[in-house]
Amino acid sequence: SAVISQKPSRDICQRGTSLTIQCQVDSQVTMMFWYRQQPGQSLTLIATANQGSEATYESGFVIDKFPISRPNLTFSTLTVSNMSPEDSSIYLCSVESGAHYGYTFGSGTRLTVV
Amino acid sequence: SQELEQSPQSLIVQEGKNLTINCTSSKTLYGLYWYKQKYGEGLIFLMMLQKGGEEKSHEKITAKLDEKKQQSSLHITASQPSHAGIYLCGADAGGKLVFGAGTILRVKS
Repeated sequence: SAVISQKPSRDICQRGTSLTIQCQVDSQVTMMFWYRQQPGQSLTLIATANQGSEATYESGFVIDKFPISRPNLTFSTLTVSNMSPEDSSIYLCSVESGAHYGYTFGSGTRLTVV
Repeated sequence: SQELEQSPQSLIVQEGKNLTINCTSSKTLYGLYWYKQKYGEGLIFLMMLQKGGEEKSHEKITAKLDEKKQQSSLHITASQPSHAGIYLCGADAGGKLVFGAGTILRVKS
């Protein structure tokens, strides 16, 4: 299955600032997915990132708040912009790893906004 | 849109006891995934089920998908402290995953 390196693993940020999260995959993948997990809740898909095209955002998420880059088939970044305490969550990236392994997830970025 | 309901929300079991977690979908399941998450960390893939009536096992964990492909169960035999965590079911909804709310499992030793 694919192996994802996600960083940073955690950060504490001041409100109004931005944080960029990186995911590096050890193989080429067409789509990368970005999820948010708010405290005590399940995962919600933010957007799907295809290489060479703009990301597709789910209802309730906008590009200005969560800009995504996908410069090649092994790398993607998610930026959380103009942060507020409500953005405190775990952010995870994911890729499809084939029929036997389903979707593989990064280790997550635990973001706290103060 | 597809919704997944997991039960129970949380579970405390004595070490050595068996337990079952259920996941019910509002629509037919074309791919059902089970993951485990340690607190504040990423997701660990457990199993994927696609066919009605399918059953898979890994070590002491067995997952089943019913014939109608709308309900799945995850069964742990002889639970251990290492089984503690959050168990999430996820449904393949057209190239993306939709998740249930999760079941928090605590194992008392």
